[in-house]
Amino acid sequence: DGGITQSPKYLFRKEGQNVTLSCEQNLNHDAMYWYRQDPGQGLRLIYYSQIVNDFQKGDIAEGYSVSREKKESFPLTVTSAQKNPTAFYLCASSMRATGTDTQYFGPGTRLTVL
Amino acid sequence: GQQVMQIPQYQHVQEGEDFTTYCNSSTTLSNIQWYKQRPGGHPVFLIQLVKSGEVKKQKRLTFQFGEAKKNSSLHITATQTTDVGTYFCALSNFGNEKLTFGTGTRLTIIP
Repeated sequence: DGGITQSPKYLFRKEGQNVTLSCEQNLNHDAMYWYRQDPGQGLRLIYYSQIVNDFQKGDIAEGYSVSREKKESFPLTVTSAQKNPTAFYLCASSMRATGTDTQYFGPGTRLTVL
Repeated sequence: GQQVMQIPQYQHVQEGEDFTTYCNSSTTLSNIQWYKQRPGGHPVFLIQLVKSGEVKKQKRLTFQFGEAKKNSSLHITATQTTDVGTYFCALSNFGNEKLTFGTGTRLTIIP
């Protein structure tokens, strides 16, 4: 059963702690993305990766970090430097990192920082 | 960065009424995609438009790309409760490896 998995679905952390969100895909896609969605808002790009061991900053990368050591995995770390980390985080993948490729989204992780 | 205006932000309609959302860009686009996100869910791809003036239909949904490739619309005929959700456009410029998502239009249906 192919797709994108994100875990956990809900995550709670204390202020000042780093937290890592997982994203795994078995679609054999080269490109992967992390988006942030706030209530009633659109999707804002945090980071994206076109290929293993390479990634680029998106529009709101400050306070976040990523790695892409395997094609299937693109974890996102929300650091204590992120001023307002409570949000819904969506991971996506596409065959290639072009504007014409369809993006497939995971179910998302809802992060709440207390 | 690219400006993506999507209007309206919210739309409440009676079941059976039509619904339209508009997506406007400040720059000429290479293509536009539309996604739907159900409440509590994740965005799901609906369609992609590439050609100037292109019109595509999916059952009760009609998608249109403007002649100048700077705007697009999604029209739903005779809405049903299954149409509830937020509809996003996603834009791409020529040579750009990223999609820029619009702010979305949230559709609610009054039974």
